[in-house]
Amino acid sequence: DTAVSQTPKYLVTQMGNDKSIKCEQNLGHDTMYWYKQDSKKFLKIMFSYNNKELIINETVPNRFSPKSPDKAHLNLHINSLELGDSAVYFCASSPRGSKAFFGQGTRLTVV
Amino acid sequence: GENVEQHPSTLSVQEGDSAVIKCTYSDSASNYFPWYKQELGKRPQLIIDIRSNVGEKKDQRIAVTLNKTAKHFSLHITETQPEDSAVYFCAASNGGGADGLTFGKGTHLIIQP
Repeated sequence: DTAVSQTPKYLVTQMGNDKSIKCEQNLGHDTMYWYKQDSKKFLKIMFSYNNKELIINETVPNRFSPKSPDKAHLNLHINSLELGDSAVYFCASSPRGSKAFFGQGTRLTVV
Repeated sequence: GENVEQHPSTLSVQEGDSAVIKCTYSDSASNYFPWYKQELGKRPQLIIDIRSNVGEKKDQRIAVTLNKTAKHFSLHITETQPEDSAVYFCAASNGGGADGLTFGKGTHLIIQP
């Protein structure tokens, strides 16, 4: 009965590849997010989606693109992967302006 | 944009003692301040939050205080236990919008037996 679930949990891929991470929430929340946690554990927001509209887009490379087929899903596509993209990516959801619930994370390793 | 500073980066306390983690924020429009606990290899989990119209909130051994004028807020954990060992993150947001959370850099709390 997981509230926010993302797949895969681990992703190992070569430089230059394109990959996707999927996220689903069953909480009925309006807003979904993608956060990146780097090797120093610093958590930084990448994207926010509210009712299928991109609300904010932090200064991330345009190789990263969020796609939301519906209110319960927010997938992250990454093109031309680079070594520096290695990190843990967390999906989250919240009612507007309130508590955010995180998925279990996807550890991306680019080799 | 918002900037959140968190101190200390590492905190070691004896089991049973209290722990205090402090954060400051820069954007006076921020009005929602959650605290997350992250155990090794796990997701961040919300442990307590406070809104700007409240000065203090308590939940069992955990309390959060907020000073809007000084733009700082603190997490207090009393009677610490080994299971409190984790990384704790403070965060801030303008709760009226969907602009996400700006996190501090985290505090690694170590409870010594």
